Amino acid sequence: AQSVTQLGSHVSVSEGALVLLRCNYSSSVPPYLFWYVQYPNQGLQLLLKYTTGATLVKGINGFEAEFKKSETSFHLTKPSAHMSDAAEYFCAVSEYQGGKLIFGQGTELSVK
Amino acid sequence: NAGVTQTPKFQVLKTGQSMTLQCAQDMNHNSMYWYRQDPGMGLRLIYYSASEGTTDKGEVPNGYNVSRLNKREFSLRLESAAPSQTSVYFCASTRTRTRDTQYFGPGTRLTVL
Repeated sequence: AQSVTQLGSHVSVSEGALVLLRCNYSSSVPPYLFWYVQYPNQGLQLLLKYTTGATLVKGINGFEAEFKKSETSFHLTKPSAHMSDAAEYFCAVSEYQGGKLIFGQGTELSVK
Repeated sequence: NAGVTQTPKFQVLKTGQSMTLQCAQDMNHNSMYWYRQDPGMGLRLIYYSASEGTTDKGEVPNGYNVSRLNKREFSLRLESAAPSQTSVYFCASTRTRTRDTQYFGPGTRLTVL
């Protein structure tokens, strides 16, 4: 069975500092991996996704993530945090059949 | 192009009452999904519809029923609401059932007293 673990339910950074949100996955097939962002009282918006090919994936708002098969990780980074980045971030893996998403627990990012 | 829409945005029910959450998408997507979001648990799949005319259970289907009314609409029904169903409910859709990006609605915040 597939699963996703996000390390740290809350992360706090200063404006201008590096953002690093951790995600590890478990999958018996080549994974499709996603990062979604949820702003307060809104739905989820896709930040970026990895399917196949280049392991460094660039997304919206300056975020990027690197797929590391050997570490079963897909960590999300942004070089310089902005106040507008404060939100909850979800990592997810897609099941091969049915396209269902398996989500991690979420990480709330605060920017001070 | 509204994307995925959900009604209502907020609802308060008493234990034992029933209600239907509505979801519609205007992107001509084939697959639709219902999730619930609870603090510290991420989103969990309740039911999904891989294509018009089919529905399947997800991870937490107990206490819910669904109807894929047509290609656009996918409703979620609570027949006898319980406090454990207090949650935020999200509908999502995707073009195909093979690992495409899912697009989410704004959510329905449900409280069961």
